[in-house]
Amino acid sequence: DGGITQSPKYLFRKEGQNVTLSCEQNLNHDAMYWYRQDPGQGLRLIYYSQIVNDFQKGDIAEGYSVSREKKESFPLTVTSAQKNPTAFYLCATSSGTLNQPQHFGDGTRLSIL
Amino acid sequence: GENVEQHPSTLSVQEGDSAVIKCTYSDSASNYFPWYKQELGKGPQLIIDIRSNVGEKKDQRIAVTLNKTAKHFSLHITETQPEDSAVYFCAAKNTNAGKSTFGDGTTLTVKP
Repeated sequence: DGGITQSPKYLFRKEGQNVTLSCEQNLNHDAMYWYRQDPGQGLRLIYYSQIVNDFQKGDIAEGYSVSREKKESFPLTVTSAQKNPTAFYLCATSSGTLNQPQHFGDGTRLSIL
Repeated sequence: GENVEQHPSTLSVQEGDSAVIKCTYSDSASNYFPWYKQELGKGPQLIIDIRSNVGEKKDQRIAVTLNKTAKHFSLHITETQPEDSAVYFCAAKNTNAGKSTFGDGTTLTVKP
């Protein structure tokens, strides 16, 4: 989706390091989400934010942290406490009004060196 | 919380045949049901959605049906083409919840 930019596309991390994945949107959407996708599996929600300066844990928040200081940005930090961080990470947005679809970025693939 | 089950996990059809993917959900308060298509190395893209006040919706070769009583909904693709090959995800959302719950995905392969 051209309105959501995830960077970098590929990221490598040494064990014990924190890394931050970027997600920027120009859709003026209120809600933003982070998902983790493992090979052959579905989307698991890490964190989501419905409004600036507020966010909630999803189903697998342990070892991750987020911030929402601006409407356009929702960075995800994968901390050293996440013991199995290798995965495909997807950022999504939605307009926040009732029952609207999510728009996804093209993901960041994180690998452990 | 909501639980969404999706079947089958893989589906292979001949070009021109129809494909059907089914999802069941557990929360009777869910009222929005989108379907997404994910191509390799990309993020999922919405292909069709349905709200709980209708039982069926169609868009060219794609249709979705919803049975609120049985709490299941299905994606129907007719006249399949090789470019329909992808992973398809269903999802369910309750208006009062800030998040959607996704199924585990179906890998559809259309053989030429």
